[in-house]
Order: sequence, then structure tokens, then C-alpha cells
Amino acid sequence: ETVMTQSPATLSVSPGERVTLSCRASPSVSSNLAWYQQKPGQAPRLLIYGASTRATGIPARFSGSGSGTEFTLTISSLQSEDFAVYFCQQYSNWPQTFGQGTKVEIK
Amino acid sequence: QLQLQESGPGLVKPSETLSLTCTVSGGSISISSYYWGWIRQPPEKGLEWIGGIYYTGSTYYNPSLKSRVTISVNTSKNQFSLRLSSVTAADTAVYYCARQSAAAGFVDYWGQGTLVTVS
Repeated sequence: ETVMTQSPATLSVSPGERVTLSCRASPSVSSNLAWYQQKPGQAPRLLIYGASTRATGIPARFSGSGSGTEFTLTISSLQSEDFAVYFCQQYSNWPQTFGQGTKVEIK
Repeated sequence: QLQLQESGPGLVKPSETLSLTCTVSGGSISISSYYWGWIRQPPEKGLEWIGGIYYTGSTYYNPSLKSRVTISVNTSKNQFSLRLSSVTAADTAVYYCARQSAAAGFVDYWGQGTLVTVS
């Protein structure tokens, strides 16, 4: 099973700051990676697929990069509505697997 | 706008079978470019893919759960269902139904989720 490791587990950030979240895959997943945002009591929301393609309606402040084993989700200027948990998912290898998540909290 | 809604018992006894149904509205379940999946999230933990089904009835299960899982589809009702047998406390989770890209696997639509407690 492909292991997805996200870091850090928690990130304390002030509004307006730039945020970088990491997701590492073992083994390689090519560019078959998605990012999701989950707020308390809500279902996850798709942000990025194909490692770098924004989903419909996702603001341009969200961007994804990477391929193979190292991936990054960047939020260029954190807004109040962005405080949430972020998960990565690989769909390259069977079975598809998710990371444990990074919680972005208010500093 | 596509909507998915889970339904089923919120409490299941150990060793019994968990049964959930997902009703899809605002679009047809009979689309070849997507499959319909179940994903769960234990309290305060990450997400686990359980399995998925195409409208044709072809199924795909996570090997870790395969011996206990059955997913079925009812295209006339625009629904698909999950059965998980021999449940234990470890199966306590929020269960989500989802639409997943057939070409890829990412989830573009999620149900709101339903908490199932095994006790």
C-alpha cells in the first residue's frame, strides 16, 4: 500500500501569511495526486487534482506542485475561511490512499 | 447541482452488518466517466477508501476490507449501497459516499457523511 505522509501535522499561521503544506508518497505516484480541504463537521472539498490543476471554483491563491514522491500545496495569502484540515490523496497505485492531514490553525 | 445523500442506521451492534445507501440527485448515476465510492473517516483520524462501483455493477474493493465489503448499485433508483459485515468498534466512523473520476480517482462530489457507531 502506498503511504502518504503529510507534514507538519499542525501549522499555526496568521491571516495573510503564505502557507506551504507538504505531502510525501512512498512509492512514487507520478502526478496522480489530489488535495482536499475539510472544515469541522463538513465533507472534504476538492482543491487540486493532477498535482497542480485547480478544481472548479477554487480561488487562485491555492496552488499545487510536485511529482513523483514530493508534493506541495501552497496558499499564497491565508484567508480566515482557509483555516481547516488539508488532506492529500494518491490515485496512482492500488488501492488509493490518503494522508493523515495537516491542520492549519489560527496563530 | 449534483447531490449525494447517505442514509442508514447510526448505531450497529458488534458482529452485525453495517448497511448504508447513497442517493444521487441532480444527475444520473449511469455515467461511464465516473464511479461511485465509499470512504470512511474514524473520529479524529484520516480518510480510508473502502471501495467503488460503476453503474454497470463492476466493483473494486480495498484489499484491507475486501472480505467484509459488498457494494451494489440500483440504477433505476439512482442509488448505490454499502454493506460491511462482522463490524467491530474499529469500524466506527463517518461514512461518506462520493463520485470519483473514472480516469483518475479523485473525488469531485461528496455526500455530507453519516456517523456510524458500533456499540
